[in-house]
Amino acid sequence: SYELTQPPSVSVSPGQTARITCSGDQLPEKYVYWYQQKSGQAPVLVIYDDSKRPSGIPERFSGSSSGTMATLTISGAQVEDEGNYYCYSIDSSVNLWVFGGGTKLTVL
Amino acid sequence: EVQLVESGGGLVQRGGSLRLSCAASGFTFSTYWMSWVRQAPGKGLEWVANIKQDGSDKNYVESVRGRFTISRDNAKNSLYLQMNSLRAEDTAVYYCARALHSNSPSALVDWGQGTLVTVSS
Repeated sequence: SYELTQPPSVSVSPGQTARITCSGDQLPEKYVYWYQQKSGQAPVLVIYDDSKRPSGIPERFSGSSSGTMATLTISGAQVEDEGNYYCYSIDSSVNLWVFGGGTKLTVL
Repeated sequence: EVQLVESGGGLVQRGGSLRLSCAASGFTFSTYWMSWVRQAPGKGLEWVANIKQDGSDKNYVESVRGRFTISRDNAKNSLYLQMNSLRAEDTAVYYCARALHSNSPSALVDWGQGTLVTVSS
């Protein structure tokens, strides 16, 4: 089955740039989406269609995708950005959607 | 304002059944793909199933295929998940979610608060 691979954890100091990667064989042809989830809360979409930001999401969140790897970048990470981040995309061979395993972002 | 409110979760014995509901409001329900996503305690997100606007196309993760059935009632603005032959590994918070783009099973932009399903062994 199709897998999206993320690092388990990323840690940065406040104000630094955090980069979270997601790799998958079909990413060259399919969009990736990124979610932020804080403890006890529902996920929030922070990036869609590889690099677009929904309204209300701070400009410090950006996304890019090249080849089989997508990257979520948080420029000038803040303490309130701590949480788990998941990438999400489709396995087009079977029309099923998949989440990455998640990356725990620590900002301290 | 978009609202998705799940209900129907609870404690059920292994092998039992449960039906989850999701009441939608604040958007034209009949024009969006809808999905169920679950999260086991302390684990990551897992996409479970989705359904096309008119119910004519349904897709399931392999682990629930044949046991779970997704359905919708556009007249009642409601989404359902019938879960049969429940296993301990189905224990999770179940979220319903709306697709970002009308007429496309794209990113999930709006989520409910989730309903907890616990399968006891």
